[in-house]
Amino acid sequence: QKEVEQDPGPLSVPEGAIVSLNCTYSNSAFQYFMWYRQYSRKGPELLMYTYSSGNKEDGRFTAQVDKSSKYISLFIRDSQPSDSATYLCAMKTSYDKVIFGPGTSLSVIP
Amino acid sequence: DGGITQSPKYLFRKEGQNVTLSCEQNLNHDAMYWYRQDPGQGLRLIYYSQIVNDFQKGDIAEGYSVSREKKESFPLTVTSAQKNPTAFYLCASSPVVLAGVYGSGEQFFGPGTRLTVL
Repeated sequence: QKEVEQDPGPLSVPEGAIVSLNCTYSNSAFQYFMWYRQYSRKGPELLMYTYSSGNKEDGRFTAQVDKSSKYISLFIRDSQPSDSATYLCAMKTSYDKVIFGPGTSLSVIP
Repeated sequence: DGGITQSPKYLFRKEGQNVTLSCEQNLNHDAMYWYRQDPGQGLRLIYYSQIVNDFQKGDIAEGYSVSREKKESFPLTVTSAQKNPTAFYLCASSPVVLAGVYGSGEQFFGPGTRLTVL
């Protein structure tokens, strides 16, 4: 079993839809959780960062962490064509390196 | 204009050649990283460095080498010993407070270099 798993997609939604992107993980010691957005042929950029459990909101984006279920989510409200990208989840324990998920490819259709 | 630059954007290597990928940052970050990205796989750590003149192997260091002679620069050499080097290579950096034991791990990435073996 991989440490971090993501459905690779592709996920295709109409403009304005609510998008839910998810990752599951196996290491209960993960405490820091991040979401990166990567446009085609570009480097990833940090979208959201959360520590431990709970929700964090930033504009149209909400990150949610459920440590009891070892499950994290990124919600995108009112999705736009400019949100079309690959979304990588990443997580870290307090003592080790960052582990990245393989990414979910999202297309928002106008 | 602060950031991380990688060059070249595209690189072609013949069998048996060594090639060097450049990574420069002007963010004054102490920690720098090299990752390899293949389709359907997460970013895999090749090497990282938290201080000048010191670096550690990541998960897939075989066939690669690095140097860290300056804080701003962390070049990666892909040697002929790397049997499957075709991939997208990403350099990242982080302030040491985020990269350390109790750091959140947030990293800032360059635009990447796509390496293809001919």
